[in-house]
Amino acid sequence: KQEVTQIPAALSVPEGENLVLNCSFTDSAIYNLQWFRQDPGKGLTSLLLIQSSQREQTSGRLNASLDKSSGRSTLYIAASQPGDSATYLCAVSAGGTSYGKLTFGQGTILTVHP
Amino acid sequence: NAGVTQTPKFRVLKTGQSMTLLCAQDMNHEYMYWYRQDPGMGLRLIHYSVGEGTTAKGEVPDGYNVSRLKKQNFLLGLESAAPSQTSVYFCASNPGTSFEITTDTQYFGPGTRLTVL
Repeated sequence: KQEVTQIPAALSVPEGENLVLNCSFTDSAIYNLQWFRQDPGKGLTSLLLIQSSQREQTSGRLNASLDKSSGRSTLYIAASQPGDSATYLCAVSAGGTSYGKLTFGQGTILTVHP
Repeated sequence: NAGVTQTPKFRVLKTGQSMTLLCAQDMNHEYMYWYRQDPGMGLRLIHYSVGEGTTAKGEVPDGYNVSRLKKQNFLLGLESAAPSQTSVYFCASNPGTSFEITTDTQYFGPGTRLTVL
């Protein structure tokens, strides 16, 4: 059974810092990995999707890397801003007949203070 | 496009009562999913559907039933609610493909916060 773990569970940083969120998964036979953002009381918004054949994806100040063989992904946020405060979730989609089903980590709660 | 919408947003039930959560999407997506989110446990898949008239069990299906009579709607039912079903429920959809593996992301609704007393 696939298990996804995110470290740290919570992170508080001052504005302007560069930061890294970590995600690890136990079964390396994934099809893709996604990072989501969740604001309090809201649904999830997809930030980045990395296919298993890719090593990284970038969007603005966000960069996600994937090391499938070691079962790890990192989300790098450059020059953090208070508006980045949210919960960040990592999720993997299995290979084979998965129909896009996702296995989620528990999330990292990020607070960026001015 | 409204995307994925969920009805209701909040609900309080007493143990043993029944209710149905409605999910609707206007993106003509094939795949739809129901997840629950509990503190410290991330999101867990309850049931999913890969097309109109189809349903399948996810990781935590017990105590729930689903139906997908129309492509745009996915209903989640609780026949006899229990306090353990207190949670936030999210619906999601995915375009799907002609094959079983999809390369697209999932689009999530805003959630339904359910409390069972």
